[in-house]
Amino acid sequence: DSGVTQTPKHLITATGQRVTLRCSPRSGDLSVYWYQQSLDQGLQFLIQYYNGEERAKGNILERFSAQQFPDLHSELNLSSLELGDSALYFCASSKQGLDEQFFGPGTRLTVL
Amino acid sequence: GENVEQHPSTLSVQEGDSAVIKCTYSDSASNYFPWYKQELGKRPQLIIDIRSNVGEKKDQRIAVTLNKTAKHFSLHITETQPEDSAVYFCAATQDDKIIFGKGTRLHILP
Repeated sequence: DSGVTQTPKHLITATGQRVTLRCSPRSGDLSVYWYQQSLDQGLQFLIQYYNGEERAKGNILERFSAQQFPDLHSELNLSSLELGDSALYFCASSKQGLDEQFFGPGTRLTVL
Repeated sequence: GENVEQHPSTLSVQEGDSAVIKCTYSDSASNYFPWYKQELGKRPQLIIDIRSNVGEKKDQRIAVTLNKTAKHFSLHITETQPEDSAVYFCAATQDDKIIFGKGTRLHILP
């Protein structure tokens, strides 16, 4: 157990819908990262927050947005969902940017 | 932006032999290079990392080398065991932005 929690574990929804994925980082970690992992694909970095502020952006679509709250938990919002958005979404946390990242168990999103 | 190439995409080695996975990066400002292992159905976990001021780091059967001039770094696993079977990802980090390679699926043959 990495200490990073993600909810829900599984999510099944329809095209055009909007979903919210939630992540709680390890105690003491200020950085939260979001990743997308499609079937047989690598880890695509989406976005990073540090202590409530957006720190770095990767290949995140405009239909996706995220935020980190004062209690340091983070949410990833995916809207106007398409079939291609079906993937495993991981959240990870670290103390700072250049530190080991601890990954959560992931949320598996299926868009039908 | 940064681009990370990882080779090979699949690697099969006999148990007890060594495995080498190589990565190249494009941005010379990258300064932190972690390696993650992801077993089937599980989350990625850090196995070793190296910073740009170091050329080599070793942890038991695992070692990583970094050549900043050539912009490449490699993961070496010696005396491979069945539990080493997994997907391995390299990554390059610069200013909190991390780019992963596409992964290498390592099979350890009995």
